[in-house]
Order: sequence, then C-alpha cells, then structure tokens
Amino acid sequence: DTAVSQTPKYLVTQMGNDKSIKCEQNLGHDTMYWYKQDSKKFLKIMFSYNNKELIINETVPNRFSPKSPDKAHLNLHINSLELGDSAVYFCASSQADPGDREGDTQYFGPGTRLTVL
Amino acid sequence: SQQGEEDPQALSIQEGENATMNCSYKTSINNLQWYRQNSGRGLVHLILIRSNEREKHSGRLRVTLDTSKKSSSLLITASRAADTASYFCATDARSGGSNYKLTFGKGTLLTVNP
Repeated sequence: DTAVSQTPKYLVTQMGNDKSIKCEQNLGHDTMYWYKQDSKKFLKIMFSYNNKELIINETVPNRFSPKSPDKAHLNLHINSLELGDSAVYFCASSQADPGDREGDTQYFGPGTRLTVL
Repeated sequence: SQQGEEDPQALSIQEGENATMNCSYKTSINNLQWYRQNSGRGLVHLILIRSNEREKHSGRLRVTLDTSKKSSSLLITASRAADTASYFCATDARSGGSNYKLTFGKGTLLTVNP
C-alpha cells in the first residue's frame, strides 16, 4: 500500500497551459506539503496545509494554487505554465502540525516530473 | 535562505568502507533530519536528532550534532551497493510566526562501488 501517492508521475506540457497534480496520503496525517526540486536537486518547500488550512506559503507565484478538499488530499494547480516551472514536485505528509516544536518526520510521495516545453 | 549545506557534494567509495557526510547550517534549529533519495524516487526519512542531543544511532547509521558549530555528520558504516543514493540533511526551524518548516540542503551523492 502506497503511503503518499501522486499523479501523474510524468507531465509534459506546453508553455501557457494549466495543469494539476494530485496527492493523496493514507497515513491519517494532519499536515501535507508541496516541495519543488530543481535540476540541481535543491528541494524547497512551497506550501504546507494542516487539516485543510494553509499554514505555510513560501512566496510562491500566484499561478500556483494548492487545494485541500480534505486532510488526506492536497492538489496543486498551476496556471500559465512557464519554462522555469520545469522541476520535480513532491508531496509529503507528517503527523505533527507545523507549530509542533518537537518536529516530526515527513513521508514523501514518488514525485511528479513536470516538463514545460 | 538556504539552511543546510552538505559536504562533500559527491562521494565514491568501495563496498564495505565507511561513508561520512557533513552538513552545516546557519540559524538555530529545533531538530535536524537526514533523508535518502534514490534516483528517480521520493525522499525517505533516515534519522532525526533533536537540538539537545549530540549523537544518535540507527542500525549502520550514526548521526552527530554540534549546535555550537552548527554542523552535523552522517556516518554509514560497512556500506553496501544498495546505499548508493543522494543524502540530504534538513533543518527544522521556525519559519516566521509560530510555524516550523524543514529546509533542505543540496545533498551528497554517494556511490558505493561493488
């Protein structure tokens, strides 16, 4: 059973298009995240949601809009795709909420490789 | 700003040897975590060390944390070909307001030759 799953695994699209990536976790976690990993493998947090509420937004362009219909799902919609959006996008989840000082481990999905042509 | 910086960027060793990777960071942290990423896969959590801990073990992994030097090291003993992967340190620190977030370094690519 996959703990954190993402679809699609690969996404190739033209500049200017709108696309969505879906993420689901079956771990019963309260917090979910989106990360972007660039071609140099640098991984940076984009968003964090806790119980369907946006907690962290790391100055991501407005073209990126996360949506959490319930705490097991966190989808990422990207409008007007640009060349610089090409990257691998990872969804993750954790039990602890972002205000938890003890911290917690995060469970990552397999990633979605987005290529914008 | 980027927190963790791993060193070296790449490391190639023979099976059976030990591998040591280092991580330096800039600000106060709540805890530091190490993750592994196999090629084309997601990250897998290896170990978490809290700011009040100095050393932690998990199987063939040994992690140290020196908060005075703002650095950590990950030692993998008796390496195997299956340990070939990228290893990332991630610092858990306050991100404005009352929330904490993980900030990842660029990783060390470890290659273990059979």
